[in-house]
Amino acid sequence: GAGVSQSPRYKVTKRGQDVALRCDPISGHVSLYWYRQALGQGPEFLTYFNYEAQQDKSGLPNDRFSAERPEGSISTLTIQRTEQRDSAMYRCASSPFVIVLAGTDTQYFGPGTRLTVL
Amino acid sequence: QKEVEQNSGPLSVPEGAIASLNCTYSDRGSQSFFWYRQYSGKSPELIMSIYSNGDKEDGRFTAQLNKASQYVSLLIRDSQPSDSATYLCAVGTTAGGTSYGKLTFGQGTILTVHP
Repeated sequence: GAGVSQSPRYKVTKRGQDVALRCDPISGHVSLYWYRQALGQGPEFLTYFNYEAQQDKSGLPNDRFSAERPEGSISTLTIQRTEQRDSAMYRCASSPFVIVLAGTDTQYFGPGTRLTVL
Repeated sequence: QKEVEQNSGPLSVPEGAIASLNCTYSDRGSQSFFWYRQYSGKSPELIMSIYSNGDKEDGRFTAQLNKASQYVSLLIRDSQPSDSATYLCAVGTTAGGTSYGKLTFGQGTILTVHP
């Protein structure tokens, strides 16, 4: 079946512009996670949703970052007034379960959106 | 102190050797642990998960967990050039005895297997 998809795959923007990054999870997956990955580092948690409810946004760097998942499927991560330090790979992952149980798969990652802020 | 730390790399091993990757974590209450493989320019891919102390084997991969020492490792036997990648250790979030999918990743260890 189809995996997690993200769009756009590449986004170049000028400092000060707003950007919206989209994640389309695997059909039926209830949990959706956003991570940011700098070059040479592991993914860093940003926020996650169970169904349409945002469970944890403790990883969002500041109030320029926001995310929504209004119908419990597609999610959008929005960055307002972008800055050069926002440049990174933004990764989305989805999971079929809210709770992690031994023997169940966890997260499937999408291909990511490479954001470059000039 | 970082929450999840991996042994510094890069790690280079000859083909056919055993590659050993190590990871320590700071939250003593953690219950779920994962190893992801990430090829250059690609997304992380889950290769092993472990929840109980001891060893868990899957083909050429063995994950080892020692909760008392807050240590998890990954052994790759009979390493192949196709195993060359970055290996990411990740720890799941535990609250009230239940594990959730929010992951904390280490910085990754680059493994190169040379012919």
